[in-house]
Amino acid sequence: EVQLVQSGAEVKKPGESLKISCKASGYTFTTYWIAWVRQMPGKGLEWMGTIYPGDSDTRSSPSFQGQVTFSADKSISTAYLHWTSLKASDTAMYYCAKSLDSSGHDIDSWGQGTLVTVSS
Amino acid sequence: QSALTQPASVSGSPGQSITISCTGTSSDVGSYNLVSWYQQHPGNAPKLMIYEVNKRPSGVSNRFSGSKSGNTASLTIYGLQAEDEADYHCCSYVADSTLVFGGGTKLTVL
Repeated sequence: EVQLVQSGAEVKKPGESLKISCKASGYTFTTYWIAWVRQMPGKGLEWMGTIYPGDSDTRSSPSFQGQVTFSADKSISTAYLHWTSLKASDTAMYYCAKSLDSSGHDIDSWGQGTLVTVSS
Repeated sequence: QSALTQPASVSGSPGQSITISCTGTSSDVGSYNLVSWYQQHPGNAPKLMIYEVNKRPSGVSNRFSGSKSGNTASLTIYGLQAEDEADYHCCSYVADSTLVFGGGTKLTVL
């Protein structure tokens, strides 16, 4: 059974750094893309970007380019989303999600989400 | 890339059918048969309901059906049930392993 287990909720201050994680199991981690999706309070889903853990190839939405970093550690089947300097506007639920196949054309399985709250 | 356009809300009575539209451009929805739909109940993660325009994952009811015409994709739910009340999000492949979502549609079962 495919499982994506995300790290717990975070409360941070503006300007702080943060790395949240997504641990995968039940499939070959290196041959499917992992996408990150933001959902701001009461809003829709926004595709932030994706990483192919096999070679760490990444793609980013123009809206998030330069704002976050995607990484993956193959040895522990875990993907990460990293901020160097958080803003209040980063307050949202963040989901990781696995691609349907190695092409990255669709998303099928989702993590449970990590709630990030940024407040002074 | 701009978000796909979905109606903010739709509603229907139990047993009825409803259709949710998802309008993109010739660069996304119109270029690829790679539109997916996700159901999201409050407080839960999204769940894949339709992929590649009209394919259903194992376990998804055949009351859910997808289609596409030009730059607009649609999700139709037949025989509405109370448990179908949720938010529905469409998503399209754009290019080079990038995706774009719609703004989401809240379905109310009256």
